[in-house]
Amino acid sequence: NAGVTQTPKFRILKIGQSMTLQCAQDMNHNYMYWYRQDPGMGLKLIYYSVGAGITDKGEVPNGYNVSRSTTEDFPLRLELAAPSQTSVYFCASSYRSDRGEQYFGPGTRLTVT
Amino acid sequence: KNEVEQSPQNLTAQEGEFITINCSYSVGISALHWLQQHPGGGIVSLFMLSSGKKKHGRLIATINIQEKHSSLHITASHPRDSAVYICAAQDNYGQNFVFGPGTRLSVLP
Repeated sequence: NAGVTQTPKFRILKIGQSMTLQCAQDMNHNYMYWYRQDPGMGLKLIYYSVGAGITDKGEVPNGYNVSRSTTEDFPLRLELAAPSQTSVYFCASSYRSDRGEQYFGPGTRLTVT
Repeated sequence: KNEVEQSPQNLTAQEGEFITINCSYSVGISALHWLQQHPGGGIVSLFMLSSGKKKHGRLIATINIQEKHSSLHITASHPRDSAVYICAAQDNYGQNFVFGPGTRLSVLP
């Protein structure tokens, strides 16, 4: 199993550009999550999904969109990138919420200039 | 909104020492998670607790639901334990997580 994979590892965007961060898992997990981690700060939940076709907002959803068309994939879309979105983005998955050990991807380091 | 705090923020220990990291939260939860973030940035889940105590090797995690407090203990610490340790409170619906700011641990040889 590859576990949770994320692409790209690094990206530099100009203000106003858009991009999609890819996340995939091969563990047949129902729950998937997107987090951001700002320097010196705790992880914050952006969006989560409890299964294909079902997504919901977390603590900091503004400026992002997600979709979940398959169990495996959970892409995060940034529209009109802003410097405040400079962060490290982590995707995670778990089988179910009450067996909620989370498996994290390696992260995507995004800089918006 | 749940507030999650950790103490200490930073901790330096000598190899072999017993280490305790504390986590407190303000609102009832379904589970408390402990994570380890390696110096390279990767994050690994260590424990998920809803009551009592769990042990994996040299790591022990405890939770007191009434006091809204959890502790992570490392026995016989080793330099490879150097990392940031993060606690996360999972809400009663089981879907939302609030993370503490992390405790940076350095274990010196």
